[in-house]
Amino acid sequence: GAGVSQTPSNKVTEKGKYVELRCDPISGHTALYWYRQSLGQGPEFLIYFQGTGAADDSGLPNDRFFAVRPEGSVSTLKIQRTERGDSAVYLCASSSPGYEQYFGPGTRLTVT
Amino acid sequence: GEDVEQSLFLSVREGDSSVINCTYTDSSSTYLYWYKQEPGAGLQLLTYIFSNMDMKQDQRLTVLLNKKDKHLSLRIADTQTGDSAIYFCAESRDYKLSFGAGTTVTVRA
Repeated sequence: GAGVSQTPSNKVTEKGKYVELRCDPISGHTALYWYRQSLGQGPEFLIYFQGTGAADDSGLPNDRFFAVRPEGSVSTLKIQRTERGDSAVYLCASSSPGYEQYFGPGTRLTVT
Repeated sequence: GEDVEQSLFLSVREGDSSVINCTYTDSSSTYLYWYKQEPGAGLQLLTYIFSNMDMKQDQRLTVLLNKKDKHLSLRIADTQTGDSAIYFCAESRDYKLSFGAGTTVTVRA
């Protein structure tokens, strides 16, 4: 079956601009996660959705970051007033609750 | 610093066994995972072990867990060139995964 998909695969934006990153989870997975992976590091947790609600957003670095999942399937990670330090690979994962997480290929964000 | 620690690099000859080590901190972690990441790709789940087990074997992969020392290892038998990648150890804290920085495995002919 289809895995987790993320679009775009690459995004280059200028400092100060707004970006949206999209994640399509595996069909039937009610849990969805966003992680951020900086160069040479492991992924770091950002936010967890169970259904439509953000059950835990404690990993979001500041209020420029926001994520939604309005219908309990597709999720969008939104970053306002981007900064060069936001450059990273943004990974999305999905799972059935309590089960292993399956990751998408990621979106590489570059802020110039 | 990292809650999950791994050595950064491992070089192994094709056909030999690879052993990747990891230490973690949270004794309440229920599952421990190994993920593989190839260049430009996302994370591929390789295997996982429940915290009340001490060993799990899955084809060429063997996971050993020493819960007392909070030490996890992944052994890859008969390492192939396709095994060249970055391997991440992760512990689960409820729904969150906490990853190490990854071990880059290079397989030489």
